[in-house]
Amino acid sequence: DAGVTQSPTHLIKTRGQQVTLRCSPKSGHDTVSWYQQALGQGPQFIFQYYEEEERQRGNFPDRFSGHQFPNYSSELNVNALLLGDSALYLCASSFEDAGGEQYFGPGTRLTVT
Amino acid sequence: AQSVTQLGSHVSVSEGALVLLRCNYSSSVPPYLFWYVQYPNQGLQLLLKYTTGATLVKGINGFEAEFKKSETSFHLTKPSAHMSDAAEYFCAVSGGPNFGNEKLTFGTGTRLTIIP
Repeated sequence: DAGVTQSPTHLIKTRGQQVTLRCSPKSGHDTVSWYQQALGQGPQFIFQYYEEEERQRGNFPDRFSGHQFPNYSSELNVNALLLGDSALYLCASSFEDAGGEQYFGPGTRLTVT
Repeated sequence: AQSVTQLGSHVSVSEGALVLLRCNYSSSVPPYLFWYVQYPNQGLQLLLKYTTGATLVKGINGFEAEFKKSETSFHLTKPSAHMSDAAEYFCAVSGGPNFGNEKLTFGTGTRLTIIP
């Protein structure tokens, strides 16, 4: 049973560019959440997708957007990259109404120069 | 609103000694509580969770935690530390399914070092 997978593993971008990160949920899971983990910090909730719609959103600007596909996979897009966007981006999947029990992927390390 | 406070950003214990990682939470609704572990350059792995029922919960790798509502705490313990326990540990809270708030709110983490 494959767990949560994310691609790419590492990414280096320049300020002002745009980036797309991808996530495939654990088999059977229908909900995908994205988190940003800055160095030395705990993960911060970006947003959550269920039934191809954004269901919840954390305190992140509109530069952060996402999408969920019919097969439950998801993308995170970040526009107009800032140096402060450098972080580990974690995708987590769960069943609907799992009460927060989420399974995390290995993350994508984004470096903005 | 929910929040988590982890006391001690760094904890060092000797191999074979008791591990105690502290977590206090704030929540306006009955919380679901979690401990996750993160090894270097990896994602988060669920150690254990509290939802309802028994307040002492057991997890993987010999870890356990006790939910104490009166103290708003959910401390993580392990009787005997092993070198492989060295990692970053995160406590997290959610509002549970009945409150439509399934996002996880994390603490800032505790780095556990095991001394040989």
